[in-house]
Amino acid sequence: QVQLQQWGAGLLKPSETLSLSCAVYGGSLSDYYWSWIRQPPGKGLEWIEEINHSGSTNFNPSLKSRVTVSVDTSKNQFSLKLTSVTAADTAVYYCARRGRSKTIIGDYYYHYMDVWGKGITVTVSS
Amino acid sequence: DIQMTQSPSSLSASVGDRVTITCRASQSISSHLNWYQQKPGKAPKLLIYGASSLQSGVPSRFSGSGSGPDFTLTISSLQPEDFATYSCQQTFTTPWTFGQGTRVEVK
Repeated sequence: QVQLQQWGAGLLKPSETLSLSCAVYGGSLSDYYWSWIRQPPGKGLEWIEEINHSGSTNFNPSLKSRVTVSVDTSKNQFSLKLTSVTAADTAVYYCARRGRSKTIIGDYYYHYMDVWGKGITVTVSS
Repeated sequence: DIQMTQSPSSLSASVGDRVTITCRASQSISSHLNWYQQKPGKAPKLLIYGASSLQSGVPSRFSGSGSGPDFTLTISSLQPEDFATYSCQQTFTTPWTFGQGTRVEVK
């Protein structure tokens, strides 16, 4: 059973860089995309960006200018960097696997986040 | 970006009640709609994908329906462990987007 373990700094000052990592246990990075998702206090989920084992990414334009995601296949882990943080970046940050299933017709796939890390609370405060 | 709007934002229900939550996309997303359950301090858990397919291990009292812009999550008989927040997500096109969540509370 695939599990994701996250780590990183939980308290940052404005203008600093958020840095989080997520290790994949019980499975390989191959064949999936791996996402970063965040949830501000009392608000809904926001998808940030995803990456696959070869480094191909899909991103959220609202954050792209400040976000870098990377993958380290030798360590079976992937990482997130978010620069120039402000209080608006205070949130619980999750890593997640994007799984997929073929439709009944079989001509395309459904995609979903089926494995999640436990989340890390990141607080930006001076 | 595709906007996902859930209603209601919260509801109060009792054990045994039938509960229905709706999700509307700002454009057609075919059946590329997922539902998640989230309990306080925990990560979301996938319940339904492809609008109506039950994720492995999820109780059959959960069901999903709909296509295009309008979708529904139904809990046929609410159990004590079902009090939580439910969120929809579209995976029709990036950026993947979520609804704001519906909190199911004890009546």
